[in-house]
Amino acid sequence: DIQMTQSPSSLSASVGDRVTITCRASQSISSYLNWYQRKPGKAPKLLIYAASSLQSGVPSRFSGSGSGTDFTLTISSLQPEDFATYYCQQSSITPPWTFGQGTKVEIK
Amino acid sequence: QVQLVQSGSELKKPGASVKVSCKASGYTFTSYAMNWVRQAPGQGLEWMGWINTNTGNPTYAQGFTGRIVFSLDTSVSTAYLQIYSLKAEDTAVYYCARDSEYSSSSVAFDIWGQGTMVTVSS
Repeated sequence: DIQMTQSPSSLSASVGDRVTITCRASQSISSYLNWYQRKPGKAPKLLIYAASSLQSGVPSRFSGSGSGTDFTLTISSLQPEDFATYYCQQSSITPPWTFGQGTKVEIK
Repeated sequence: QVQLVQSGSELKKPGASVKVSCKASGYTFTSYAMNWVRQAPGQGLEWMGWINTNTGNPTYAQGFTGRIVFSLDTSVSTAYLQIYSLKAEDTAVYYCARDSEYSSSSVAFDIWGQGTMVTVSS
């Protein structure tokens, strides 16, 4: 199975900061990588699919990049509603479609 | 609107079974695959498997095979997750999640149910 490793596991940031979260796959997954946001008590929300495609309705301050084994989620200017936990997910044609362990973005 | 509505919280004893439902509305149920994902307390998201809503064919993640069953009732646009021989470690929030079908060679879960808390305790 493909293992997904996110870093950092948590970070503290201020409103307006640029935030970057990385995700590394244990083997190449081309661009088959999704990003989700999860807030306490809420279901996960799809932000980015296929490494860099913005899901409909998601603010443009979210962006994704990368291919192969290394991927990045960037929030260009952190907003109060962005404090949450973010998960990457490998989405290649063959399951299991495993998730990273999550990155918690907290208020500094 | 497009949504998935899951059944309510469950409290079960070890060794019992539980059946969680996920009712879809606002779209053609059989056109989108359904996945099941769980999150144990303090843990990350764990993909459990998926079911082809057109054929009813399930695929289970390793580690769950033999103890869970996915099923459908397409007449009411509902997917089900049944877990047998419950253990304390099965205590988690269980989500159904629709595959967006944006690609024939990839997945992305664009619509999620609100989650069902299953607590296993004696």
